[in-house]
Amino acid sequence: KQEVTQIPAALSVPEGENLVLNCSFTDSAIYNLQWFRQDPGKGLTSLLLIQSSQREQTSGRLNASLDKSSGRSTLYIAASQPGDSATYLCAVFDGGSQGNLIFGKGTKLSVKP
Amino acid sequence: KAGVTQTPRYLIKTRGQQVTLSCSPISGHRSVSWYQQTPGQGLQFLFEYFSETQRNKGNFPGRFSGRQFSNSRSEMNVSTLELGDSALYLCASSLGRDEDSPLHFGNGTRLTVT
Repeated sequence: KQEVTQIPAALSVPEGENLVLNCSFTDSAIYNLQWFRQDPGKGLTSLLLIQSSQREQTSGRLNASLDKSSGRSTLYIAASQPGDSATYLCAVFDGGSQGNLIFGKGTKLSVKP
Repeated sequence: KAGVTQTPRYLIKTRGQQVTLSCSPISGHRSVSWYQQTPGQGLQFLFEYFSETQRNKGNFPGRFSGRQFSNSRSEMNVSTLELGDSALYLCASSLGRDEDSPLHFGNGTRLTVT
């Protein structure tokens, strides 16, 4: 059974710092991995999607990497800003019998001005 | 392009009642998935519809059901509500459920059962 873990559960950093969020999954047979952002009381905003054949994806200050063999992904945020404060979730799509996304519990990020 | 729209945003119901939530996907998207989010369990998959057919179902009791209409709009129904059903219910749409289709989520319906 696929399990997704995100460490740390919470992170507080000063503005301007570069930071890395971690995601690990137990079964490497995935189709893709997606990073989302969730603001309090809101839905999820898709940030980056990495196909299983890819190693990384970039969008602005965000860079996500994928190492399928080790079951790990990282989300790198450069020059963090207070507006980056949110919960970041990773999810894997393994195309299994349920065909659904399996989510981690998220990392709550707080960027202090 | 309009995003995924969920209505209502908030609902308060009492135990034993039933509730219907609605989701309008992004225009052109034919797949709609539903997720339940709680502080303890995180995001859990409920079911997924594609072209009016339920393709996948998560591990939830039969009290949770859904359907999809010909215009891809979807509804989910929860009967005989329990306190534990209090959660944020999120709907997501995509072009199709394959590896090239990222999910786009709505802002959710916050259900409180008293």
